[in-house]
Amino acid sequence: SQQGEEDPQALSIQEGENATMNCSYKTSINNLQWYRQNSGRGLVHLILIRSNEREKHSGRLRVTLDTSKKSSSLLITASRAADTASYFCAVSNFGNEKLTFGTGTRLTIIP
Amino acid sequence: SQTIHQWPATLVQPVGSPLSLECTVEGTSNPNLYWYRQAAGRGLQLLFYSVGIGQISSEVPQNLSASRPQDRQFILSSKKLLLSDSGFYLCAWSPLGGRQPQHFGDGTRLSIL
Repeated sequence: SQQGEEDPQALSIQEGENATMNCSYKTSINNLQWYRQNSGRGLVHLILIRSNEREKHSGRLRVTLDTSKKSSSLLITASRAADTASYFCAVSNFGNEKLTFGTGTRLTIIP
Repeated sequence: SQTIHQWPATLVQPVGSPLSLECTVEGTSNPNLYWYRQAAGRGLQLLFYSVGIGQISSEVPQNLSASRPQDRQFILSSKKLLLSDSGFYLCAWSPLGGRQPQHFGDGTRLSIL
């Protein structure tokens, strides 16, 4: 299937450290998106990277995309307790009205 | 600005009872609308999506149905709930085109007893 797969499934780090999550997918994409979900809430869009882009920044977030390896990474720098959440990647295919979400990485920031 | 409303936040229903979850969007026209289900600690499973009034695409054969009676209203229904219908249901919208970011409601936690 086209589903993105995040790695690791769970990650615990100390506040102030950097957190890196990875996403792999299987076929050609139009874009790849990262979302965040606080416990019991809806998802919030973080950043979108197009297939012709290699890196994108937004505040403390840095996303890379390697289409040759069909993978993406999300880096959160200088983590804060408020960054504790689940993070999902989602891929968009050409000519398609839907996103396919991965299984997520549960990030815990230890104060 | 655009907002999405989804209700109720939690729902407890007996097996065999009907279901109706409603989602409405404000501040935009002709949105794509989506219903997802999320099992505990898992990713999102797309159930239905709609690109216009009366246009419903079903992703997974199941005990549920969806309808879009108005441009910014999306309804998830069931005639008889099963235990396996328990989960966290999320509604989302995106600008027409499908490749844009999706914006989610706060979800409905459905428990079937």
